[in-house]
Amino acid sequence: AQSVTQPDIHITVSEGASLELRCNYSYGATPYLFWYVQSPGQGLQLLLKYFSGDTLVQGIKGFEAEFKRSQSSFNLRKPSVHWSDAAEYFCAVGAWMDSSYKLIFGSGTRLLVRP
Amino acid sequence: NAGVTQTPKFQVLKTGQSMTLQCAQDMNHEYMSWYRQDPGMGLRLIHYSVGAGITDQGEVPNGYNVSRSTTEDFPLRLLSAAPSQTSVYFCASSERQGYHGYTFGSGTRLTVV
Repeated sequence: AQSVTQPDIHITVSEGASLELRCNYSYGATPYLFWYVQSPGQGLQLLLKYFSGDTLVQGIKGFEAEFKRSQSSFNLRKPSVHWSDAAEYFCAVGAWMDSSYKLIFGSGTRLLVRP
Repeated sequence: NAGVTQTPKFQVLKTGQSMTLQCAQDMNHEYMSWYRQDPGMGLRLIHYSVGAGITDQGEVPNGYNVSRSTTEDFPLRLLSAAPSQTSVYFCASSERQGYHGYTFGSGTRLTVV
């Protein structure tokens, strides 16, 4: 069955430090992959997406993610975290299930930023 | 501003009451969906629609009804609220079933007492 795993429930980093959020998926074909960010009390905002082509994709707010087919991973990275990056991050995979396309979300990783 | 509008933002219901969560989008998106968000569980798909007049069930449809009479609107109905439906509800829309990412509303926080 299709699934998305975000193994880290919480991550704390210092402001200015680098960040990597992990995401693993289970899907038989090449997936459509997404990262969303949710600030407290807000809806979800799309950070970046991968469909095909270059496996390193750039997104908004200085984020990037790398698709690694051999590891079934799509990890999110940022070289220098800002305090405003504190939020919850969701990885998602777009998959065909029961003859329709659905977006399946991971359980999320909450990022805390130390001053 | 173009986007997805959800109303109300907050709601408290008593067990057994009914209500409708409203969702409207002005981007002419074909695809609309409802998710619920619970701590530690991410977002789970309740119902979705690929166009006016077409709806289907998602992962957790029990206790919820939807209809899609227009492209713009996709209301979610709770017929008899239960405490297990306490959650944050998000409506989302997209072109072409979401290949290019979804646009989310700001959510409705529902408490059933």
